Amino acid sequence: NAGVTQTPKFQVLKTGQSMTLQCAQDMNHNSMYWYRQDPGMGLRLIYYSASEGTTDKGEVPNGYNVSRLNKREFSLRLESAAPSQTSVYFCASSAFPQGNQPQHFGDGTRLSIL
Amino acid sequence: AQSVTQLGSHVSVSEGALVLLRCNYSSSVPPYLFWYVQYPNQGLQLLLKYTSAATLVKGINGFEAEFKKSETSFHLTKPSAHMSDAAEYFCAVSDRGDYKLSFGAGTTVTVRA
Repeated sequence: NAGVTQTPKFQVLKTGQSMTLQCAQDMNHNSMYWYRQDPGMGLRLIYYSASEGTTDKGEVPNGYNVSRLNKREFSLRLESAAPSQTSVYFCASSAFPQGNQPQHFGDGTRLSIL
Repeated sequence: AQSVTQLGSHVSVSEGALVLLRCNYSSSVPPYLFWYVQYPNQGLQLLLKYTSAATLVKGINGFEAEFKKSETSFHLTKPSAHMSDAAEYFCAVSDRGDYKLSFGAGTTVTVRA
C-alpha cells in the first residue's frame, strides 16, 4: 500500500552541490508531478509528466531538471543548488492528465541549502 | 491560468464548533475543485472534489463543501471539530481542458480543547 514514495526524506546541501530527488509510484498512474512548498505560498508546480516519455515545465522550473525514467519513476535534479531552493518538495501522481483526476502525494523531501 | 484565494491563513476553533474554511477561484467557467489536507510532516491527502455533479460534495472525516457558481466559491465545512482536524488545508483548482492544479496558500486549523 505504498502509493507514492519519495527519497530521501531529508537532505542538507551546500550551495553549488547537485542532487537528485527520487520518486516512485506503484498505482500504475500515467501522470506525475513535482511541486515545491514554501510557507504562505501553497504548492507550486515545478515540472510535470503527463505520460511516460513526456515532460513539461510548470510554474517554477528554473534551476531544475526532470527525468521520467519509466512509468513508475520521475526524478527531480538540482544541478547547482542555491539557498532559494530550500523548500519541501512533493511528488504526486494521477491516473490520467485530465484536470478532474485527483493527485496522490508522497510525504515530501525536506531540503536545506546552506 | 486559475488563481485561488483562501481567506484566512489561520483559523482557531473550539472542539465541537463549526469549521468553515473559505476558497474562491478566479475563472468564470466552473473549474474542477479540490480540497486537500496536510498533517504535520506528511504529504497532501484528498478530502473531496467537485467535478460538476452535485453542488454539495461530501468528503472524508465528516467534511463537505458547497460549490456556488454565482460566488465563484467552494467553501469547506465540518459541523463539529475534533482535535484530530488540526492540520493545514489547501483548496486547489484545475481548468477544464488543463491538467495542472493551482493551489491556494493554505489555511492552518487549530482546535482548542
